[in-house]
Amino acid sequence: GQNIDQPTEMTATEGAIVQINCTYQTSGFNGLFWYQQHAGEAPTFLSYNVLDGLEEKGRFSSFLSRSKGYSYLLLKELQMKDSASYLCAVRPSYSGAGSYQLTFGKGTKLSVIP
Amino acid sequence: SAVISQKPSRDICQRGTSLTIQCQVDSQVTMMFWYRQQPGQSLTLIATANQGSEATYESGFVIDKFPISRPNLTFSTLTVSNMSPEDSSIYLCSVLLERAGQFFGPGTRLTVL
Repeated sequence: GQNIDQPTEMTATEGAIVQINCTYQTSGFNGLFWYQQHAGEAPTFLSYNVLDGLEEKGRFSSFLSRSKGYSYLLLKELQMKDSASYLCAVRPSYSGAGSYQLTFGKGTKLSVIP
Repeated sequence: SAVISQKPSRDICQRGTSLTIQCQVDSQVTMMFWYRQQPGQSLTLIATANQGSEATYESGFVIDKFPISRPNLTFSTLTVSNMSPEDSSIYLCSVLLERAGQFFGPGTRLTVL
């Protein structure tokens, strides 16, 4: 089966750095995605890792270790608008049945406080 | 990225009726998906919308309840049939752009009374 774990909630201070961890056990691996979702809105794509290492995009970075089944999303210079849920999603290997489905974690609700 | 629009953005429906949700993409995409996000939950894949053939449904979802059309590479519809209050959810269209990522539409917020 597929299992993705991430913390339910986190709180961090404006201007600080926060790391949101995600561990996964899936039948095969073909990429890991991070999404940001504000309350009542659709998820917004943040990053995509398919190889080990760190991908940096402005204030956001995402890291992947395939051997450990582990990823993290790093947010720097936190702003109040970063308060949102952050979803980790894994794409298992192509099943051959026409399905490239993403399996989502339950999301980490981040609250940024002054 | 891709620009994805959905109609309607929200609706309130009566039990036993059906609602068709439309998804339009600004470019041709091979892979289109329909997801559901129930209140307080994460996203669950309903089906992959295949152009020119029947959709591929995930476990727990059937064509009679969620018929899907995909007439071309930029458009798809999802119908929620014979609705009950348990179908109240946000329904999201999503597209996969290879080497770019998977993107979501703005969602359709459905409330069934």
